[in-house]
Amino acid sequence: KAGVTQTPRYLIKTRGQQVTLSCSPISGHRSVSWYQQTPGQGLQFLFEYFSETQRNKGNFPGRFSGRQFSNSRSEMNVSTLELGDSALYLCASSLVGRKGNEQFFGPGTRLTVL
Amino acid sequence: KQEVTQIPAALSVPEGENLVLNCSFTDSAIYNLQWFRQDPGKGLTSLLLIQSSQREQTSGRLNASLDKSSGRSTLYIAASQPGDSATYLCAVRRGWGGSNYKLTFGKGTLLTVNP
Repeated sequence: KAGVTQTPRYLIKTRGQQVTLSCSPISGHRSVSWYQQTPGQGLQFLFEYFSETQRNKGNFPGRFSGRQFSNSRSEMNVSTLELGDSALYLCASSLVGRKGNEQFFGPGTRLTVL
Repeated sequence: KQEVTQIPAALSVPEGENLVLNCSFTDSAIYNLQWFRQDPGKGLTSLLLIQSSQREQTSGRLNASLDKSSGRSTLYIAASQPGDSATYLCAVRRGWGGSNYKLTFGKGTLLTVNP
């Protein structure tokens, strides 16, 4: 079974631009979560989608948004990029339910904002 | 607000040594706890998942324990190998649905196993 895939793996953008990251979950997984990882703050939760609905959102500004499609694939968008948005963005998928919810992570997208 | 702490921040051991990594959390009302490893510049690999009703989980040379009442978990690595060198992260989840679904992570323990 294929794991979680993320594209692109690396991105270089300049301040003020916007960016879209993509995540394809493990087949059959309907929950997709996004996390930001920086050396200073560690791993921080961005948001979680299930059945095309955002169920949970972390403490990030509105410049960070996402969506999920009917095939469970998810995209994350960051508008008006700032230098502090440089980070590794990780996507995770999981089954949902009392017997599931182990999260499996993708390789991440490394975003550099110049 | 849940806070997760991992001690030590870094650990260097000779090959073959048994070792213990520690994770503590402030809110004992958790649903489960998950241990991950992360290699430099890479994503997270799930190692073990312990449900709140469980005391421990084992996978190969790894054993994770959970003491919910004291807010602690340990990851025991037996007979360490250079390939075990990585950052080990623990994360807790408060619930299984709605706003409780997110994982709260510790900052990790950087493990180096020297040949």
